[in-house]
Amino acid sequence: DSGVTQTPKHLITATGQRVTLRCSPRSGDLSVYWYQQSLDQGLQFLIQYYNGEERAKGNILERFSAQQFPDLHSELNLSSLELGDSALYFCASRGGGGYTFGSGTRLTVV
Amino acid sequence: DQQVKQNSPSLSVQEGRISILNCDYTNSMFDYFLWYKKYPAEGPTFLISISSIKDKNEDGRFTVFLNKSAKHLSLHIVPSQPGDSAVYFCAASAESYGQNFVFGPGTRLSVLP
Repeated sequence: DSGVTQTPKHLITATGQRVTLRCSPRSGDLSVYWYQQSLDQGLQFLIQYYNGEERAKGNILERFSAQQFPDLHSELNLSSLELGDSALYFCASRGGGGYTFGSGTRLTVV
Repeated sequence: DQQVKQNSPSLSVQEGRISILNCDYTNSMFDYFLWYKKYPAEGPTFLISISSIKDKNEDGRFTVFLNKSAKHLSLHIVPSQPGDSAVYFCAASAESYGQNFVFGPGTRLSVLP
C-alpha cells in the first residue's frame, strides 16, 4: 500500500456519460497530481493541485475538470466521455523527492 | 515534441545478466531525474533518482548514470531477476524552476529465467 488511495479501481461506462474518479493523497502530502496512461503511452500529466488550489495544468481536455477539497482528497471529473478516454488514470502525491502513485483507476468507455 | 524519450519499447535479458535501460531528454533545464517501475494492474513505484549535480547514483542492484552533455541517462540493473520484469519509466523535471515531471513512454523489460 503506497498510502495514495484511488477509487474505484475499475469503471466501465458508455460514451457521453460522466464519471468521477477519487484520490486520497498520502497523509501529510498537500499536492495531488493526476496522470493519464493510454495504451502504449507514457504517463501524461493532466493537472496538479496544491492545498486546494490548482497549481499546474498539462494536457487536460476541457471536458475534464478536477478539484481538491479541504481534507486534501481530490476528484477528477470526466464528462461527455469518448471511446478514446479509455485509459488508466493515476493520482500521485508528493513528499520529498519523487511521486508516490496510487494503483490507478482503469476507465473503459464502451 | 517528446522532451523525454525512451527509444526502446522493449528489452529482453537473461536472468543474472545486466539490464541497461536508456533515456534521452531534450530540455537542458532538466535537473532532476527519476526512474519508476510499473507492474500490470499496479501504479508506478519509485525506484531511484539522480540530481544533475551527480553523474551516478546507486541503490542496491540499481544504478543510474547521468551524462549531462549528451542529455542521456541510463538505469543499470545487476544482476537482473525475473521479478524485475516490468515497464520502466524515466522522468525528468526542471526542479529549479518548479516544474512538474515529464515522463517517457516506458520500456518493457522481460527478464528470462
